[in-house]
This record gives sequence, C-alpha cells and structure tokens, in this order.
Amino acid sequence: GAGVSQSPSNKVTEKGKDVELRCDPISGHTALYWYRQSLGQGLEFLIYFQGNSAPDKSGLPSDRFSAERTGGSVSTLTIQRTQQEDSAVYLCASSLGESGQETQYFGPGTRLLVL
Amino acid sequence: GNSVTQMEGPVTLSEEAFLTINCTYTATGYPSLFWYVQYPGEGLQLLLKATKADDKGSNKGFEATYRKETTSFHLEKGSVQVSDSAVYFCVLNAGGTSYGKLTFGQGTILTVHP
Repeated sequence: GAGVSQSPSNKVTEKGKDVELRCDPISGHTALYWYRQSLGQGLEFLIYFQGNSAPDKSGLPSDRFSAERTGGSVSTLTIQRTQQEDSAVYLCASSLGESGQETQYFGPGTRLLVL
Repeated sequence: GNSVTQMEGPVTLSEEAFLTINCTYTATGYPSLFWYVQYPGEGLQLLLKATKADDKGSNKGFEATYRKETTSFHLEKGSVQVSDSAVYFCVLNAGGTSYGKLTFGQGTILTVHP
C-alpha cells in the first residue's frame, strides 16, 4: 500500500485479556517503530525494529508488552493481561532505515480501550 | 537526555491571522527537527523538517528555521486558514545512541475561526 496501515482501528477489551495490534509498514522500509499516545503521557517511544531485530526496546513500559516483526515487514505488538492504564492510541511508523535521523511515516493508529 | 518544549495551547486565531508556535529543544549532538500535524480524526503527518543548523523547512505556507544558537525551531505561518485547525507537534530525532527514537513536544492545539 501507499502508506503505513494498522489494524484494528479500534479495540475494546476487558481488563486482564491479551490484545494484539498489527502494523504493515510502507513497502521497502526496513525500520519500524511503535509509539503510544495517551492523555497523561503524550507521545512515547516504545520499540524500534531494524529488519526483524529490535535493537531498542527501552520504551516498553513493562514485561506485559512485547513485539515482533517477521519477514522484515509486518509487526505485531502484544499486550498481555491488559490494565486500564494501557488505554491509549498505539501508533506505528516506518522509515527507510538508512540513517537514524530520517523521516518517519506514521499509520492512523489503533485506539485501545481497556474496561 | 533529549527533550522538546512547546508553547502551551490551545491557540485560537481568526482566519488570515499570523501564527507562531514556539518550540525549544535540548539534545546532545546534532539532531534533526520536525513539525508533525494531526488533523481531527487522522494520524500524524509530517509537515516540515530541517536536518542542520540554519536550514529552513517549509510546506503549505508553514515555515520553521533550525536555530542552533537558541536551540529553537519555531513554526510560523503568515495567514492561517480554517483548514489549518489541528494539533501541531514539534519533534526531535537526535540519532546516535537514540537511533530512530523520536522525542515529541506536548502538542499545541490550534483552532482557526472564520
């Protein structure tokens, strides 16, 4: 596709359930990033992939959060045993992966609500 | 560490007014600077960028100049339109040990009235 896509666009879940969020980057982009946008914390970095490897996982808030990327393309962010404080918009971005300061292109986000 | 401080909002203007949104940053090394915009109900879009000192980024009538001496990247537009109503984020990418990790300002809500 022409841009970064994410699914689902909205997800409502009950506290304690696991959720999976998906990101399809722009074709040819080797770098992929996950961010979280919440009212209290603004926009925060979660994790970065170069190919299928994650050199920087420093933003993952707890061990309930994990992410993987397969085939150098699609990425899945998994939140286990969701808590109400996980409610936020989860944004995925991708870039060419040629330098650490290049433009990142964002998807529309997944809005997660934990009841 | 790296940080971005943006002008507090919300900002409310009449159509054709002049816009300035202040942004200052703290970073090690030589960061790249960006302005992203989020229109209602939409995702983040790149508005403009500058990669080195004294560079001017421009797009859609918006401009921002990378000022290393004042560590600033203020966003300006000479004549705003109703369609410019959105949230604007000043963003820093320091590279180096922060490879790829964007640091965002808190966002400034702009509302333009006819």
